[in-house]
Amino acid sequence: GDSVTQMEGPVTLSEEAFLTINCTYTATGYPSLFWYVQYPGEGLQLLLKATKADDKGSNKGFEATYRKETTSFHLEKGSVQVSDSAVYFCALSSGGTALIFGKGTTLSVSS
Amino acid sequence: NAGVTQTPKFQVLKTGQSMTLQCAQDMNHNSMYWYRQDPGMGLRLIYYSASEGTTDKGEVPNGYNVSRLNKREFSLRLESAAPSQTSVYFCASSEDRDTEAFFGQGTRLTVV
Repeated sequence: GDSVTQMEGPVTLSEEAFLTINCTYTATGYPSLFWYVQYPGEGLQLLLKATKADDKGSNKGFEATYRKETTSFHLEKGSVQVSDSAVYFCALSSGGTALIFGKGTTLSVSS
Repeated sequence: NAGVTQTPKFQVLKTGQSMTLQCAQDMNHNSMYWYRQDPGMGLRLIYYSASEGTTDKGEVPNGYNVSRLNKREFSLRLESAAPSQTSVYFCASSEDRDTEAFFGQGTRLTVV
């Protein structure tokens, strides 16, 4: 079945460092891909999405490019802030299914 | 501007007790979902409803029942709570099954 694999955390960075969180997927058909963020004590919020190959989703300085050839959707940010500390989830939906999530990656940014 | 509203936010149950988690959305979405979040497991789908009047099992449906009361409301019932059901429960909704989902704030449930 469809699945999402993302790098295990925690990821610990200093402020202004470059961030990459890897995400790869397995899916039949042509999935839509998403990154969600969860701040402490809150629900998940959509961070960005891409619905077809080579699309780039971007929001709040975060970017991810839908790579069909490598079945990947890695999340990147050029300069992280303390306020970016959260749990990040990669997810996909395909063929009318509900969202399938990865296990989440905890990011901790220190000043 | 409520979005998805879940009640209650916190609950402690004794083993064997029953309870219903309530969820309502005001975005006129067709699809609604219940997920559970456990440490190291990500979010796992319990049940979903693609449209009013339909429900389907997700990855971990055992021990739960759901009701899509109308287009706005989707409730999750634990008939006989077990410690393994200690978790954070999230309700979500989306326009359709393969579009972005909007989440509630979660219900933290502890079964002792």
